[in-house]
Amino acid sequence: AQSVTQLDSHVSVSEGTPVLLRCNYSSSYSPSLFWYVQHPNKGLQLLLKYTSAATLVKGINGFEAEFKKSETSFHLTKPSAHMSDAAEYFCVVSETGRRALTFGSGTRLQVQP
Amino acid sequence: NAGVTQTPKFQVLKTGQSMTLQCAQDMNHEYMSWYRQDPGMGLRLIHYSVGAGITDQGEVPNGYNVSRSTTEDFPLRLLSAAPSQTSVYFCASSYSRQTNTEAFFGQGTRLTVV
Repeated sequence: AQSVTQLDSHVSVSEGTPVLLRCNYSSSYSPSLFWYVQHPNKGLQLLLKYTSAATLVKGINGFEAEFKKSETSFHLTKPSAHMSDAAEYFCVVSETGRRALTFGSGTRLQVQP
Repeated sequence: NAGVTQTPKFQVLKTGQSMTLQCAQDMNHEYMSWYRQDPGMGLRLIHYSVGAGITDQGEVPNGYNVSRSTTEDFPLRLLSAAPSQTSVYFCASSYSRQTNTEAFFGQGTRLTVV
């Protein structure tokens, strides 16, 4: 069975400082992993995805994530936070052959001026 | 390019009423799905479809029906609304049955059942 744990429900950073959003996953097979972002009252937008190619994945808006199989982690990072990054972020896992995505519970990122 | 369009954006229902949430996509995607989003629980799959005429249950299907008569449309029906169905509902589509492909989401429908 696949599952996702987002280790922080809320993260607060100052503008210009690094962002780290943590995600651990559990999967019986080779997983595909995603990060989605949801701005207030909006739908979800794909930030980046890992599908067994390079372990360091670059996404939109300067975000990147590293797949670490030994640690079963897929943490999301950004070197310098911007006010527009304030949103909720979801880590998502999918196993090959399954027909559903499994979402983490979300991490709300606050960016202080 | 509209992408995934959900209507309505907001809805208030009385307990026991029925209604249909509409979802349409213009990307010729074969895979469509419905999720509900509740605080602290991420998104949970209600029903999904891998093509016209084919639907299946997800994680939380009770109280909901779906049908897929065309590639474009995937309506979600609440048969007899209950307060536990108060939630934000998202429709999503992707071009492949393989779930390692990107899912495109609608803007959501915020439903309140009183």
